[in-house]
Amino acid sequence: GAVVSQHPSRVICKSGTSVKIECRSLDFQATTMFWYRQFPKQSLMLMATSNEGSKATYEQGVEKDKFLINHASLTLSTLTVTSAHPEDSSFYICSWRAGVPETQYFGPGTRLLVL
Amino acid sequence: AQSVTQLDSHVSVSEGTPVLLRCNYSSSYSPSLFWYVQHPNKGLQLLLKYTSAATLVKGINGFEAEFKKSETSFHLTKPSAHMSDAAEYFCVVSESTGGFKTIFGAGTRLFVKA
Repeated sequence: GAVVSQHPSRVICKSGTSVKIECRSLDFQATTMFWYRQFPKQSLMLMATSNEGSKATYEQGVEKDKFLINHASLTLSTLTVTSAHPEDSSFYICSWRAGVPETQYFGPGTRLLVL
Repeated sequence: AQSVTQLDSHVSVSEGTPVLLRCNYSSSYSPSLFWYVQHPNKGLQLLLKYTSAATLVKGINGFEAEFKKSETSFHLTKPSAHMSDAAEYFCVVSESTGGFKTIFGAGTRLFVKA
């Protein structure tokens, strides 16, 4: 149980284009989810916390207009990297908070490479 | 304030020998503690979690961890390493009092030699 999917698993795009990443909880529903970014050989850095039907809360230093989060349902959230630049190249991981006691269930990640 | 310290950035063991990955934490409330494993270019997989029940927690793939409040530690162990255990391991602390907060450790890279 508690399976999370991300699509695409990897994407290569040109600088200046926008990329959308989908995150789905496949066998459970949850109100709260998180988007993380992970640079090579580093730990996960929380980008934003999102509750279904509400605006996401972004961490300090994360531009909300650049990283658009749409959390339309209890099983689907999307992260759009707008006008991507090479420095946005990273591994993006989503997670959903669910269960008692609360646990985070992570997606497999999306590797973004901006040329 | 919450914090998590993974004391070793990398650990190298021989196949068949014990594994010890160390984690110390600080928390203002009664935390939940987790260990996750990440294989290259993969997402995080939950190994085990402590949530104020038994202090010795058994997880998947033969891993276990012991919560020691007096030492504020939550070290991960496995009696016998397997080549497939080579990965990055993250110790994580969560608090749900006064808002849900999660802090990740910096990670420990486990190398397993044949």
